[in-house]
Amino acid sequence: AQSVTQLDSQVPVFEEAPVELRCNYSSSVSVYLFWYVQYPNQGLQLLLKYLSGSTLVKGINGFEAEFNKSQTSFHLRKPSVHISDTAEYFCAVSMNRDDKIIFGKGTRLHILP
Amino acid sequence: ETGVTQSPTHLIKTRGQQVTLRCSSQSGHNTVSWYQQALGQGPQFIFQYYREEENGRGNFPPRFSGLQFPNYSSELNVNALELDDSALYLCASSLDGTSGGGGTDTQYFGPGTRLTVL
Repeated sequence: AQSVTQLDSQVPVFEEAPVELRCNYSSSVSVYLFWYVQYPNQGLQLLLKYLSGSTLVKGINGFEAEFNKSQTSFHLRKPSVHISDTAEYFCAVSMNRDDKIIFGKGTRLHILP
Repeated sequence: ETGVTQSPTHLIKTRGQQVTLRCSSQSGHNTVSWYQQALGQGPQFIFQYYREEENGRGNFPPRFSGLQFPNYSSELNVNALELDDSALYLCASSLDGTSGGGGTDTQYFGPGTRLTVL
């Protein structure tokens, strides 16, 4: 069975500082990996995805993530955050491209002025 | 904007009642998945419909049921509502829900319906 662990429930960071949101997964088979963002009172928006190929994946809004198979991690990074990045971030896995998605519990990103 | 719409946006029901939530898929998509997101939690997979047939189900009881119509819009029905059913219900559309379908590789989410059960 697959599972996703987001190691931090909340991450405070000062505006214009870098941030890393951590995600680890477990699966006995190859998986597809995703990061979604949820702004307050909205649905989910895809930030980026890893299906195959280069382990460094670039997404929207300046975010990127690196797939590390040996550490079963898919951490999300941004070199300089803005107040508009305040949101809940979800790491997720699936076995197939359109199969059910297993989500982590989310990490709330707080941007401090 | 993903093109996936859901109605209603908010709903209040009492325990024991039944509810129907609706989802309109993004144009051209033939697969819809439903998720339940309880407060402070990540979304949990309820089920997926592909070309009007159920194509996978999560760990939810039979009182959660669904339909997909020929135009690929979808309904989620919940009978005998319980207090723990209070949540944000999200639908997501995609293309070709079967393995290896070579679809869009991405599920596009709607804004959700917030259900409160009193």
